[in-house]
Amino acid sequence: EVQLVESGGGLVQPGGSLRLSCSASGFIFSSYAMHWVRQAPGKGLEYVSTISGDGGGTAYADSAKGRFAISRDNSKTTMYLQMSSLRAEDTAVYYCVKDQSGSFCFDYWGQGTLVTVSS
Amino acid sequence: QSALTQPASVSGSRGQSITISCTGTSSDVGSYNLVSWYRQHPGNAPKLMIYEGSKRPSGVSNRFSGSKSGNTASLTISGLQAEDEADYYCCSYARSNNWVFGGGTKLTVL
Repeated sequence: EVQLVESGGGLVQPGGSLRLSCSASGFIFSSYAMHWVRQAPGKGLEYVSTISGDGGGTAYADSAKGRFAISRDNSKTTMYLQMSSLRAEDTAVYYCVKDQSGSFCFDYWGQGTLVTVSS
Repeated sequence: QSALTQPASVSGSRGQSITISCTGTSSDVGSYNLVSWYRQHPGNAPKLMIYEGSKRPSGVSNRFSGSKSGNTASLTISGLQAEDEADYYCCSYARSNNWVFGGGTKLTVL
């Protein structure tokens, strides 16, 4: 059974930094790209970032470029999102999402971790 | 990248069918047959319901179907059931490893 468990969310001041983690199990982690998708309170889903299975390729939404860094440690089956220069508009539940290889969609989602940016 | 356009809400009676539209542009929906649909119940994570425009993942009811015409994709749910009441989001691949979501549609089952 695929399981994705996010951690690291919390309250942070504007301009601050936070690192999210996603622990994965139930599949061959290194064989799949992984993504972060976020959802602001009461709002819709927003794509944030992608990392390839071997970690050599990354992509970011414009809103995340230059401020967020995605990474992974396949030996620990864990993905990370390092967020810096955080703004109030980054407040959201951040979901760790598994890629459905070849279909350009998201087949398994974690339960999410809430990031609140506020003074 | 602008969000895809979905109706804010739709409703239907139990047993009826409804369709949710998702309008994009020639840079996303119109360029790729890579639209996916997600159902999200309150307080829960989204669940994949349709991928590659019209394919259903294992375990998803055949009451759910997807289609596309030009820059608009559609999700049809037939034989509405109470459990279908949720928010539905469309999503399209939009080149260069980027994805765009719709704003979401709240489905009410009467």
